[in-house]
Amino acid sequence: DAGVTQSPTHLIKTRGQQVTLRCSPISGHKSVSWYQQVLGQGPQFIFQYYEKEERGRGNFPDRFSARQFPNYSSELNVNALLLGDSALYLCASSFLSSGNTIYFGEGSWLTVV
Amino acid sequence: AQSVTQLGSHVSVSEGALVLLRCNYSSSVPPYLFWYVQYPNQGLQLLLKYTSAATLVKGINGFEAEFKKSETSFHLTKPSAHMSDAAEYFCAVQNTGTASKLTFGTGTRLQVTL
Repeated sequence: DAGVTQSPTHLIKTRGQQVTLRCSPISGHKSVSWYQQVLGQGPQFIFQYYEKEERGRGNFPDRFSARQFPNYSSELNVNALLLGDSALYLCASSFLSSGNTIYFGEGSWLTVV
Repeated sequence: AQSVTQLGSHVSVSEGALVLLRCNYSSSVPPYLFWYVQYPNQGLQLLLKYTSAATLVKGINGFEAEFKKSETSFHLTKPSAHMSDAAEYFCAVQNTGTASKLTFGTGTRLQVTL
């Protein structure tokens, strides 16, 4: 079975530009979450979506937005990119119940220059 | 909010030696706790998780962790380190009532030497 898949794997953007990252969850998983991992730090929670509705949001500015589609795939959008947005963006999927294993994709490396 | 603290950003052990990576949690209720491993330029892989079924949890690759409520700890151990264990290890807690949201520690980089 396919795991969590993310695209693109690497990308370089210029300050002020916009970026869209994509994620497909494991088959059967309806919950998708996004995390930002800055080099040398642990992942930080950005969003969680379940059944196309936002279920949780971390401490990130409004430049960050996301959505989930009927097939449970998800997109993360970041507008007006800053140098500090350079990070590994991780997508995770799971069943909704607490205690269920949360599976991560390989991530999308974003470099802002 | 629940949180975890990982003591020691870098740990170095000899091949064959005991691995001990420390994690302490802060929670007013029994939490769900996880250990993940991250190899260079890769995503996170689950090693093991605690969900109150048993205090000693066995995971993949010979790792295990013991939940100690009295010490609010969930340390990760492996009896004998292998070169392939060199990676970044993250302890994480799942916040009550917000399923799928994990709060991670700052990570411990494990180095294994010959």
